[in-house]
Amino acid sequence: GDSVTQMEGPVTLSEEAFLTINCTYTATGYPSLFWYVQYPGEGLQLLLKATKADDKGSNKGFEATYRKETTSFHLEKGSVQVSDSAVYFCALSGILTGGGNKLTFGTGTQLKVEL
Amino acid sequence: GAGVSQSPSNKVTEKGKDVELRCDPISGHTALYWYRQSLGQGLEFLIYFQGNSAPDKSGLPSDRFSAERTGGSVSTLTIQRTQQEDSAVYLCASSRDNTYEQYFGPGTRLTVT
Repeated sequence: GDSVTQMEGPVTLSEEAFLTINCTYTATGYPSLFWYVQYPGEGLQLLLKATKADDKGSNKGFEATYRKETTSFHLEKGSVQVSDSAVYFCALSGILTGGGNKLTFGTGTQLKVEL
Repeated sequence: GAGVSQSPSNKVTEKGKDVELRCDPISGHTALYWYRQSLGQGLEFLIYFQGNSAPDKSGLPSDRFSAERTGGSVSTLTIQRTQQEDSAVYLCASSRDNTYEQYFGPGTRLTVT
């Protein structure tokens, strides 16, 4: 079945450091790929997405490129801020029998940014 | 506009009791999903509703779990005879239809003692 593997956390960085959170996936077909973020005390929010190979999703300075050849969707940001401290989830969509899009998530990576 | 809302935000129940968790999707969203976030299993899909069609229940972990969606809007997830392993955060998400991004509610934290 579908699966997502992302790097273990927690990741602790200084403000303005470069961020990479690795994500690889296993899926049949060509799923859409997502990064969701969960800020402390808040619900899951979609951060960015890519729907086909070589697409780059971007939002709030974060980027991720859909790499079919390496089945990866690594999250990057050039300069993190304290406000980026959160848990980041990589996910892929799989088609359900009824036509819906079931999300399969990685285990989440906690990011802590310090001054 | 209003996002997905869930109630209660927290629920503590004794082992063996039944619980009902409620989800109000974004108005006009036809697709509704339930997920569970637990320490042991991470985030996992439970059930999917699309309009008035029969739900996809392929993610439900046991027959103690059931869900319904009345009038194509509000959904209730029911867990019968709760067990300690049911302790988790139950998340609801809705989307405009089955092809669009999912918007998540804040979740219901269930603790079974």
